[in-house]
Amino acid sequence: AAGVIQSPRHLIKEKRETATLKCYPIPRHDTVYWYQQGPGQDPQFLISFYEKMQSDKGSIPDRFSAQQFSDYHSELNMSSLELGDSALYFCASSLLSQYPGVAAFFGQGTRLTVV
Amino acid sequence: GENVEQHPSTLSVQEGDSAVIKCTYSDSASNYFPWYKQELGKRPQLIIDIRSNVGEKKDQRIAVTLNKTAKHFSLHITETQPEDSAVYFCAASRDSSASKIIFGSGTRLSIRP
Repeated sequence: AAGVIQSPRHLIKEKRETATLKCYPIPRHDTVYWYQQGPGQDPQFLISFYEKMQSDKGSIPDRFSAQQFSDYHSELNMSSLELGDSALYFCASSLLSQYPGVAAFFGQGTRLTVV
Repeated sequence: GENVEQHPSTLSVQEGDSAVIKCTYSDSASNYFPWYKQELGKRPQLIIDIRSNVGEKKDQRIAVTLNKTAKHFSLHITETQPEDSAVYFCAASRDSSASKIIFGSGTRLSIRP
């Protein structure tokens, strides 16, 4: 079965550069969540979308923005990268009617390293 | 703000024994409690969940219990196996919308052969 696809899997950027992370949810899923997970930490919620509209916002820096497109894929844009942005970024998707309020299926993550 | 506390942070059990991980939550409006398993370097996987109208749920060797009055919920793994070794996260959410989940801080479970 198709899973949540994230690209790229690994990304190395220099400070002050920009990065774009992509997420392709499971077909027919209507909600997308973005999480940031630092080494040894629990996932921190960044932002979520329901039916292409921003649904909720967590501890997402102003330097970050995200959107969901008409084909339901989502992109997380990160500008003016800082060393502290180095982390594993997960995207997750769900069908709201089946898993209301819950990120049920996670992608494999994008490991961002800022040098 | 909302908070989920999880303990212990590390747990080591003998293969075949049981493991119990406990969580408490602060938001009394929380009504959905998923548990995730995350193996080293891999994605979190939803392994079991419980809703506030149920006190206990079981799926093979895994069971969850919920005490709404005390705002406690627990994960029980019986007959532990080496492949159960992972970090386990509890979480709490209000299932009214595509909202954020509050994760616990995680429990690193190690199964001793």
